Amino acid sequence: QVQLQESGPGLVKPSGTLSLTCAVFGDSITNSNWWNWVRQSPGKGLEWIGEIYHSGSTNYNPSLKSRVIISVDKSKNQFSLKLTSVTAADTAVYYCARDTPRNGDAFDTWGQGTMVTVSS
Amino acid sequence: EIVLTQSPGTLSLSPGERATLSCRASQSLSSSKVAWYQQRPGQPPRLLMFGASSRATGIPDRFSGSGYGTDFTLTISRLEPEDFAVYYCQQYGSSPYSFGQGTKLEIK
Repeated sequence: QVQLQESGPGLVKPSGTLSLTCAVFGDSITNSNWWNWVRQSPGKGLEWIGEIYHSGSTNYNPSLKSRVIISVDKSKNQFSLKLTSVTAADTAVYYCARDTPRNGDAFDTWGQGTMVTVSS
Repeated sequence: EIVLTQSPGTLSLSPGERATLSCRASQSLSSSKVAWYQQRPGQPPRLLMFGASSRATGIPDRFSGSGYGTDFTLTISRLEPEDFAVYYCQQYGSSPYSFGQGTKLEIK
């Protein structure tokens, strides 16, 4: 069974950098999947942040592109998110998710999510 | 960017009834790249349908999806107590991928 687990600081200061990691269990990050970050602001809907392939190819949401870096560490079977110059508007639950050709490239596996609050 | 608009915002029904949830896109979508997710409080989204009409592994057959172009529908034939949750549609055929704002299915 594939599992994803997010980790990282739950509190980030305004203008700082949000850094999260998603560890992948039960699947190899080098398989034919894309690995995604999605966030959900309190009481609101879902926003796609971006995705990465094990080769390092990335796609980002243009609304965040100038502040986002997604990277992959094949040796640790994990991928990471960095979001710079954060503000209160970046306070959200951050999820990592897998999309796989086996399910038509939909997001078939999600982490439990980690709450990140931006506050001084 | 493709905007997805879900309706209704809230749907109040009783167990055993049929639920019909709508998702309308701002431009025509590839049906093969439309998904539906269920989210219960405190939980991550759960994939229900992909390719507009294919059920994900383990999803009961009371869930069905349909649609093409700009209009897509998720139908739950007979509501079970565990089906009361928030449902999101998603398009993942055109970057940036986008989600609808959600339909809350509540017990009447």
